[in-house]
Amino acid sequence: QVQLVESGGGVVQPGTSLRLSCVASGFTFSDYGMHWVRQAPGKGPEWVAVISYDGSNKYYADSVKGRFTISRDNSKNTLYLQMNNLRAEDTAVYYCAKRNVQLVGRGAFDIWGQGTMVTVSS
Amino acid sequence: DIQMTQSPSTLSASVGDRVTITCRASQSIVGWLAWYQQKPGKAPKLLIYKASSLESGVPSRFSGSGSETEFTLTISSLQPDDFATYYCQHYNNYPYTFGQGTKLEIK
Repeated sequence: QVQLVESGGGVVQPGTSLRLSCVASGFTFSDYGMHWVRQAPGKGPEWVAVISYDGSNKYYADSVKGRFTISRDNSKNTLYLQMNNLRAEDTAVYYCAKRNVQLVGRGAFDIWGQGTMVTVSS
Repeated sequence: DIQMTQSPSTLSASVGDRVTITCRASQSIVGWLAWYQQKPGKAPKLLIYKASSLESGVPSRFSGSGSETEFTLTISSLQPDDFATYYCQHYNNYPYTFGQGTKLEIK
């Protein structure tokens, strides 16, 4: 079945780095743009970043621009989020999500992973 | 950035009730709006996309309407499984933003 599985979360100190992974299965990963969305405890979801189906286009929320990098390896059906210089306010559950439109065009998020928790604390 | 404002923040209703949640965008998003349902400890689930298109597998008691800056999600007859938090989200341009959520509680 169509599935996204995140990993890589954990407890880290401010100023350190972490890389999240999201492995896709059940669909042609290389046909879809992919997003990262995070949700701080007790808060609503916050869009973080997007990468196009072929990795050629990337966009970021202002809150993470310059610190986070989204990437993908279509040969491994895997999406990544490299998070550097982490701050306490980055503490959240991080979800990867698939667009519901192939290739280009605007799309909602039809498939989400189960999420991975990132806690930034000294 | 486009701001999304949902109302109400909390809604108390009973099984069988018809309920409506409103979402307003700070500028036109045409029809690029989605609705999600989220239960505690779970990822959001897509219900409606493109303002009024029902996602596959979602019960027909859910419907969406609206355009430009004003949108609604309606549940025609509440079922026990529907008590959850609902979020709207625009995807007109980056950054995509979500509403603050509407918690649907049992009266």
